[in-house]
Amino acid sequence: DAKTTQPPSMDCAEGRAANLPCNHSTISGNEYVYWYRQIHSQGPQYIIHGLKNNETNEMASLIITEDRKSSTLILPHATLRDTAVYYCIVRPSYQGGKLIFGQGTELSVKP
Amino acid sequence: GAVVSQHPSRVICKSGTSVKIECRSLDFQATTMFWYRQFPKQSLMLMATSNEGSKATYEQGVEKDKFLINHASLTLSTLTVTSAHPEDSSFYICSARDVQGSDGYTFGSGTRLTVV
Repeated sequence: DAKTTQPPSMDCAEGRAANLPCNHSTISGNEYVYWYRQIHSQGPQYIIHGLKNNETNEMASLIITEDRKSSTLILPHATLRDTAVYYCIVRPSYQGGKLIFGQGTELSVKP
Repeated sequence: GAVVSQHPSRVICKSGTSVKIECRSLDFQATTMFWYRQFPKQSLMLMATSNEGSKATYEQGVEKDKFLINHASLTLSTLTVTSAHPEDSSFYICSARDVQGSDGYTFGSGTRLTVV
């Protein structure tokens, strides 16, 4: 499985955009980039995923570089409730492909 | 959206006893479910892949006789921790994939197991 590299921690001011980077330089052509977050003592929550085009939903935007070797998750207006560990995961497109979690980025949104 | 219900949310058991954790997909069918374990301050570690109607596939280093997985229906998978010991104390989380191929995986809320 392709591996990802994320900074261990980041801070962000409330109301500002949070930009969380992820490197996945060994990603294969059929692998998607998924983002999840985990608030303390809860199960992970799906945020967004993409293959090669940029994606946006009600939670976040996902920017994938043209060579697909890195991506950035953007929370446009971070709130205190966005404080969590954010995981960037790559996995094959076939159904049933397992999600392997790395260490993630611990995002602290501060007032 | 898809919902996965996991029970119990927390359990305390005595060393040597067995504990069963249930994972149910409430509004979708899941041919595949996954079980994870998470120790404090660490990431989720995949333990096994549970396939409906067949044997589970365990990750390297996970004892299949200690962590029994049953996936008897398209909406229920169970994880039984047999002969639990204090080192088995952890946060156990299940995940399910919608058989219709929804965009992501849905996770349960986790089970905090404490073995005393």
